[in-house]
Amino acid sequence: QSALTQPASVSGSPGQSITISCTGTSRDIGTYNIVSWYQQHPGGAPKLIIYEVTKRPSGISYRFSGSRSGNTASLTISGLQAEDAADYYCWSYSVSGTLVYGTGTKVTVL
Amino acid sequence: EVQLLESGGGRVQPGGSLRLSCAASGFTFRSYAMSWVRQAAGKGPEWVSGISGGGGTTYYADSVRGRFTISRDNSKDMVYVQMDSLRAEDTAIYYCAKGVESIRYYYGMDVWGQGTTVTVSS
Repeated sequence: QSALTQPASVSGSPGQSITISCTGTSRDIGTYNIVSWYQQHPGGAPKLIIYEVTKRPSGISYRFSGSRSGNTASLTISGLQAEDAADYYCWSYSVSGTLVYGTGTKVTVL
Repeated sequence: EVQLLESGGGRVQPGGSLRLSCAASGFTFRSYAMSWVRQAAGKGPEWVSGISGGGGTTYYADSVRGRFTISRDNSKDMVYVQMDSLRAEDTAIYYCAKGVESIRYYYGMDVWGQGTTVTVSS
């Protein structure tokens, strides 16, 4: 079962910025700077867009940025574009030595 | 081109076994940790198991520990997961994923295969 809580949905108009939160506990996000974010379009495999809280893999747009404060991590998408419409998942390393994952957020571009 | 290709999925009865394989190409395989991640229909992706680049360290989710065994053959650029005592709740698409570094699979997975489907049903 998911251990990290995300809003079920977030929406925005093209060009706007949106932020997706990912709330964990002191056993995961609150202790480790090991949070990653994945984007998934319908029928496709997950795609890494942020790792180690703030790092972007090669080829990922600067419009995606990550942060962490306390037990909550956040993903911000600036300059929202139609192709950003997808499901987004956060993952965090935990004290159990395993990865815990978020409930997922559906992003809609209005 | 960096690529991962899974195989071995199928339908199996509860209590049965399957072995999934993942063929890697386009990168120095032994230099990266690898993971298996599964996704049940309508659910988010769930990390299942990870292995370090050298193969000496393995990691498992609580839900599969004792039933699944991950391994790799760096001479063949292959990673495997042996799944025993399968349950209905193991039904999912299983993805092979490449880590961003050699030891710590959990830092991030930047290359994914297309997935192979496992169905556990009588």
